[in-house]
This record gives sequence, C-alpha cells and structure tokens, in this order.
Amino acid sequence: QKEVEQDPGPLSVPEGAIVSLNCTYSNSAFQYFMWYRQYSRKGPELLMYTYSSGNKEDGRFTAQVDKSSKYISLFIRDSQPSDSATYLCAINDYKLSFGAGTTVTVRA
Amino acid sequence: EADIYQTPRYLVIGTGKKITLECSQTMGHDKMYWYQQDPGMELHLIHYSYGVNSTEKGDLSSESTVSRIRTEHFPLTLESARPSHTSQYLCASSEKASFEKLFFGSGTQLSVL
Repeated sequence: QKEVEQDPGPLSVPEGAIVSLNCTYSNSAFQYFMWYRQYSRKGPELLMYTYSSGNKEDGRFTAQVDKSSKYISLFIRDSQPSDSATYLCAINDYKLSFGAGTTVTVRA
Repeated sequence: EADIYQTPRYLVIGTGKKITLECSQTMGHDKMYWYQQDPGMELHLIHYSYGVNSTEKGDLSSESTVSRIRTEHFPLTLESARPSHTSQYLCASSEKASFEKLFFGSGTQLSVL
C-alpha cells in the first residue's frame, strides 16, 4: 500500500472556479502536511504546510487536514490561469512521502 | 540571489556512457537530496546528504552514486547509462529543520538511447 494516495486528475476548470485537491495517507505518525506546486519544466515549490488538524488559509489557498480520517485537501478559490500546474501533496514523519500529483488546468 | 541550480537541463546520451548531473545551491543548506520523477508517479528519493562527507541511499534502488565534498555541491553520477535510467532528476536542499521544507532545482531531463 502506498503511504500517500492522491486523486490523479487531471482537472480542467474555468477561470474563477473553486479547485479541490485531495490526498489520503496511511501512517498515523505523519506530523507535517505540505502542498507543493510544480509548473511545467520546473521543480516543485512549497505552497503551504501545516502540522495540525483544521484549516490554514493563505490568500486564495486553503489547506485542510483531518487526522482522524487521514485525509488532506487543498482548495483554490477564484482560480486563475496562472494556477495551472501540478499540485503535489507531501507528508512527513522522519522522511517525506509525496503523492503522484494532480495536474490542474484553469481555462481563461 | 540564493538559489539551487541544476545542469544540464536536458541530456540525451547513448547507452554505456558515464554521466554526471550537477547540482549547486547558494543557500548554505546542510541537507541535499536527489529525487527521480516520472510522469504520473510519486517523487522517489534516490540519495540524500546531511552535510559534507555524508551520503545515504534513499528509498528507490539506484545504480547512481553521489558525493558531497563541499556544502554547496552535490553531483550525481551514473557510471554506465542505460535506457531504464531515462527520467527527470530533481535536486533539492533544506535547512536542518523538523519538517522538510525543500527547495528544488528545475531538474535534468535525461534520455538514454
């Protein structure tokens, strides 16, 4: 069983839509939960991180963690064409485990 | 500007050749990593280093080797490239922290014919 499972996508949404991205994980020892964004032909960059259950907001982005269900989500409000990228969840205990990524296309 | 650099960006090479993928960072980070990324697949850790003269193998079995003689430099070498080595190779670095906030380079796309 993979340690982190990510909804594969791809997702294509119109500009202004809400984008919802999801991952599940298997190891309850995981402590830190991160979302990386990867533009085409670039390396991933850290978008958000959190270590507790609940919501964390940063502008149009909200990261949500439910430790009881081992489920994490990223929401993008008022999506823009510049949000078109692959989004990777990553979860950490003593090492970092990545999801396979969900490619999002926001259509103008 | 503090950053992490990988060269070359793209490399097409024949089977059996020796190659070295370069990675340098100017952020003064102790930890450095090499990941392998294939389309639609998770990033797999192939090597990491906690500092100078420290190198460890990651989760994914790899025929590559690494060295860490200087803090800022973490090259990856394949002694004899094979088509199965075709992949994107990503270098990353991080400060010593309780969670791994990684800074990635732009990657090297390797194609072995």
